[in-house]
Amino acid sequence: EAQVTQNPRYLITVTGKKLTVTCSQNMNHEYMSWYRQDPGLGLRQIYYSMNVEVTDKGDVPEGYKVSRKEKRNFPLILESPSPNQTSLYFCASMRIAGTNYEQYFGPGTRLTVT
Amino acid sequence: GENVEQHPSTLSVQEGDSAVIKCTYSDSASNYFPWYKQELGKRPQLIIDIRSNVGEKKDQRIAVTLNKTAKHFSLHITETQPEDSAVYFCAAIPIVNFNKFYFGSGTKLNVKP
Repeated sequence: EAQVTQNPRYLITVTGKKLTVTCSQNMNHEYMSWYRQDPGLGLRQIYYSMNVEVTDKGDVPEGYKVSRKEKRNFPLILESPSPNQTSLYFCASMRIAGTNYEQYFGPGTRLTVT
Repeated sequence: GENVEQHPSTLSVQEGDSAVIKCTYSDSASNYFPWYKQELGKRPQLIIDIRSNVGEKKDQRIAVTLNKTAKHFSLHITETQPEDSAVYFCAAIPIVNFNKFYFGSGTKLNVKP
């Protein structure tokens, strides 16, 4: 089954404690991206990757890191989480080649930083 | 970069009525405009998209229209049903220089039975 998975789905942590949210896709998609969703602000892009070892900042990259060592995985790293990073996070992937630009989203990770 | 504005933020309609959600964009290079639907507690999913070489696209009860000159595009849902209740997001992307996705802030549609 074609899918994007994220782990963990829920996470409560404390300020300053490093955490990683994993994202994996099994569709061999080149493009992967992280978004955060906050009430009234929609989906804001954090980082994206066009392919292995190619990453770039989205609109709200401050406080986040990513890596793309393998095509299927795109982890999101919060080195020192702060309360303003409390949010719902979505990973997404998409095939760039061709004419279908549908993004497939993961189930979301709800992060609370106290 | 691109700036996508979406209106209204909330929309309440009676079952069977039509619903219209509007988005404007700023970057004339944008040429791909998808709409995503997010049901409560679920992930966003693509429901329809349109490219700049087309003015209108329909898929059963949903349609999208695009006015390139005015830089705005709209989602139309006819004969609304309770299962249409969700948050809808528009987006604008320049495919030629493909990198970032710019989403609108979302519209919460409530269809009252």
